Amino acid sequence: DVKVTQSSRYLVKRTGEKVFLECVQDMDHENMFWYRQDPGLGLRLIYFSYDVKMKEKGDIPEGYSVSREKKERFSLILESASTNQTSMYLCASSPAGREPTDTQYFGPGTRLTVL
Amino acid sequence: AQTVTQSQPEMSVQEAETVTLSCTYDTSENNYYLFWYKQPPSRQMILVIRQEAYKQQNATENRFSVNFQKAAKSFSLKISDSQLGDTAMYFCAFGSRGGADGLTFGKGTHLIIQP
Repeated sequence: DVKVTQSSRYLVKRTGEKVFLECVQDMDHENMFWYRQDPGLGLRLIYFSYDVKMKEKGDIPEGYSVSREKKERFSLILESASTNQTSMYLCASSPAGREPTDTQYFGPGTRLTVL
Repeated sequence: AQTVTQSQPEMSVQEAETVTLSCTYDTSENNYYLFWYKQPPSRQMILVIRQEAYKQQNATENRFSVNFQKAAKSFSLKISDSQLGDTAMYFCAFGSRGGADGLTFGKGTHLIIQP
């Protein structure tokens, strides 16, 4: 089974802090994704990566950056956390070039609160 | 850009009943994938069912089946013999063929199975 893990289930940070959210997958997937989930809004794509050191902006990249130095690890960075970034953050991965493509496997999520 | 609409924010049915969750989408693409994901109170997103747009046959997975109407851009989920463990948020999602892009999610339907 695919396993996607996230470094923290709950995180509390202060406004202005630099925040790192880590995601690791163990299935040698090429593609990795970061979403944020807010009540009534569903999931929205922040950034994604289809290869090491590659990144693409999603629908809401403002205020975020990412890093992918190794294939299995994809980090989301909040350079200066703000209260409107309080949310649930979900990481996902998917294989490329082999079935089932497009099927994404999710981590358990990190509930981030910015005070 | 694609959009996904789930028009039922919340539904409640009795155990053992059949329930149908609605989803419509908008796209100009011809080849794509559609998904239903389940998010129980524990938060881990789980893939329920997956449909390739080029397949006319509706996907089924045990008690879960879809009614895929490509021309109408409709993708509903039917849960037969509903169980208490089916209580969860259900998200409809759209994915472009290729696998590397993120999914576009609907806002979700909160399904409650009553004993």
